[in-house]
Amino acid sequence: AAGVIQSPRHLIKEKRETATLKCYPIPRHDTVYWYQQGPGQDPQFLISFYEKMQSDKGSIPDRFSAQQFSDYHSELNMSSLELGDSALYFCASSSHSGKGNTIYFGEGSWLTVV
Amino acid sequence: LAKTTQPISMDSYEGQEVNITCSHNNIATNDYITWYQQFPSQGPRFIIQGYKTKVKNEVASLFIPADRKSSTLSLPRVSLSDTAVYYCLVGDDGGFKTIFGAGTRLFVKA
Repeated sequence: AAGVIQSPRHLIKEKRETATLKCYPIPRHDTVYWYQQGPGQDPQFLISFYEKMQSDKGSIPDRFSAQQFSDYHSELNMSSLELGDSALYFCASSSHSGKGNTIYFGEGSWLTVV
Repeated sequence: LAKTTQPISMDSYEGQEVNITCSHNNIATNDYITWYQQFPSQGPRFIIQGYKTKVKNEVASLFIPADRKSSTLSLPRVSLSDTAVYYCLVGDDGGFKTIFGAGTRLFVKA
C-alpha cells in the first residue's frame, strides 16, 4: 500500500540558510500534519492542513511556514535556520472521515544545521 | 485535548506478554484512543485504535474500561524486535491536532 512520502530524507544546511521539506500524503488523504522530533524527544506537533487550508497550529516557529497544494502535497519552509532546528521532521496524513481519524506517518526528513 | 500519562519505561523478556497502561482522565466523549509504535529514526507506526471495551488485531489488543479514563495496550509474546517507544494518543475525531505525550520506552531482553 502507498505510504506517506517525504523528501529529501536527509538535508544539511548552514545556520541562517533556508530549507524546504516536501510531503506527499497517502492517495485520497485530505489532511496533512507536520511534526518535529529532536534527539531523544517525543514528536512535537507543528501545523496541520485540511483541504489545503491551515487547520491547526502547534509550536511552529515564526521562521517556519507551510502550505498544502492543490494536489494535496505539502511543503514546510524553514528560514533563518538555527542549530536547534536540527531534528527529524515527520509528515503524516489522514482521511478526515470524522471517525477515529487515524494518522499515518512518513519516515521523516533529517535536517542537520551546522 | 486530553492529556495522557504513561510509564516512562518498561522492561520485559522475550515471549512474555506486555501490558502498557495509559491514563487519560479528561478524555472527551468524541475522543478515540490510538497507540503508535516508534523505532529510532523512523516514523511512528499505527498499532491499534479503539473507543470502548476491547479491540484486537493481529499484533495487539486494546482494553478500555467503561469510564474510558485509561487504556491498556497488550502485546502478546514480545520479541526483541518489539523494543521501541510506544505512544498513547487521545484525539477528537473532528480535530486536526494530534498531540504526542511522553511515550513508554519498552526494552525487551533475551
